[in-house]
Amino acid sequence: EPEVTQTPSHQVTQMGQEVILRCVPISNHLYFYWYRQILGQKVEFLVSFYNNEISEKSEIFDDQFSVERPDGSNFTLKIRSTKLEDSAMYFCASRDNVGDTQYFGPGTRLTVL
Amino acid sequence: AQKITQTQPGMFVQEKEAVTLDCTYDTSDPSYGLFWYKQPSSGEMIFLIYQGSYDQQNATEGRYSLNFQKARKSANLVISASQLGDSAMYFCAMREGPSGSARQLTFGSGTQLTVLP
Repeated sequence: EPEVTQTPSHQVTQMGQEVILRCVPISNHLYFYWYRQILGQKVEFLVSFYNNEISEKSEIFDDQFSVERPDGSNFTLKIRSTKLEDSAMYFCASRDNVGDTQYFGPGTRLTVL
Repeated sequence: AQKITQTQPGMFVQEKEAVTLDCTYDTSDPSYGLFWYKQPSSGEMIFLIYQGSYDQQNATEGRYSLNFQKARKSANLVISASQLGDSAMYFCAMREGPSGSARQLTFGSGTQLTVLP
């Protein structure tokens, strides 16, 4: 069964450093999403991406964040200058253009020191 | 106001018993979708079941069923014949807007279910 994959599974970085989180959505999916979950809290929407552009973004998704689909398979989230409060689990999700269900990857746990 | 409310931070159920996890939602959009996801201790988010706002019948997927009461704006998850592997955090989520739109999911705070042997 096809699935969303994410790399790395765990990333540790120093405050102020740039990180890139990578996702490979399910191959025939057209809608892509990033969410984050701070430890012990609810899952929060960051950004949605369709047709090579951002569809929607939340207040969390400020100028420090960017997304890119550099090729036909990868979908990346970049945080330019990480803060301590960026420590969280980051989930990528994807959906096809017919169904309504977003399928989530296993997540990347980001730890900012 | 919270869009998704899960009032049970923790629930316990005996193995092989049924359990209901509560979820209420708030939206003025006539078109929406409701989802349940399971998050085991390993952290991944596993899709369980979906209910569209215009669906006439309650959704079922194996041991999972969604008790959709539109007038009460509730979408409770029922797990029948609980298994030890059902122990996990369960999240209710909503997508507002028509099916097929790029709209994001809004999640509740979750219910930690523990299945007792």
